[in-house]
Amino acid sequence: AQSVTQLDSQVPVFEEAPVELRCNYSSSVSVYLFWYVQYPNQGLQLLLKYLSGSTLVKGINGFEAEFNKSQTSFHLRKPSVHISDTAEYFCAAASSYKLIFGSGTRLLVRP
Amino acid sequence: EAGVTQFPSHSVIEKGQTVTLRCDPISGHDNLYWYRRVMGKEIKFLLHFVKESKQDESGMPNNRFLAERTGGTYSTLKVQPAELEDSGVYFCASSQMDVLDRAAGELFFGEGSRLTVL
Repeated sequence: AQSVTQLDSQVPVFEEAPVELRCNYSSSVSVYLFWYVQYPNQGLQLLLKYLSGSTLVKGINGFEAEFNKSQTSFHLRKPSVHISDTAEYFCAAASSYKLIFGSGTRLLVRP
Repeated sequence: EAGVTQFPSHSVIEKGQTVTLRCDPISGHDNLYWYRRVMGKEIKFLLHFVKESKQDESGMPNNRFLAERTGGTYSTLKVQPAELEDSGVYFCASSQMDVLDRAAGELFFGEGSRLTVL
């Protein structure tokens, strides 16, 4: 079955600490992978995407993600988070001309 | 440039009533998608239009849901009659090219329409 799994529903972290949000995908989806972010009262916006090439992808706001084919993972990382990074993050994979989303991870940055 | 707009932002209706959600995509975007998120779960695909044609409606839950895209511009999603389990946030997204196009692959989302069925 086509699926994207985000095991952590919520990740609390202190400001300026590093963070990793985990994402695993099933091998039945394509390896076009995305991370979207939803800030409160806003729509989803693209953080970064992996289509091909280098397995380390850099996105906006200092986020990056690493594609790992052997582990079918696409974890999102940031070395030092800010209060403004508090939001919900969604991992997604392209499959049959649509995106398959995970259930989201709520990142809560505390001062 | 205006983004994807959705109306209403929030709708509260009784079970058995009808609700119509509207989405205005970014001008020039041929691809329009509807998604739904129920109470903290994953964002689930409902259907995909290319211009006015339904490319994929495999995610539509049942025949109480009807989506249209008049003239390949705005789209409506009607739920009739609404049931309790239809509650959730309905997202619309548009893109110039489909998600498997290596040059694009980005969907632009609206803020969503929150539907509450009592």
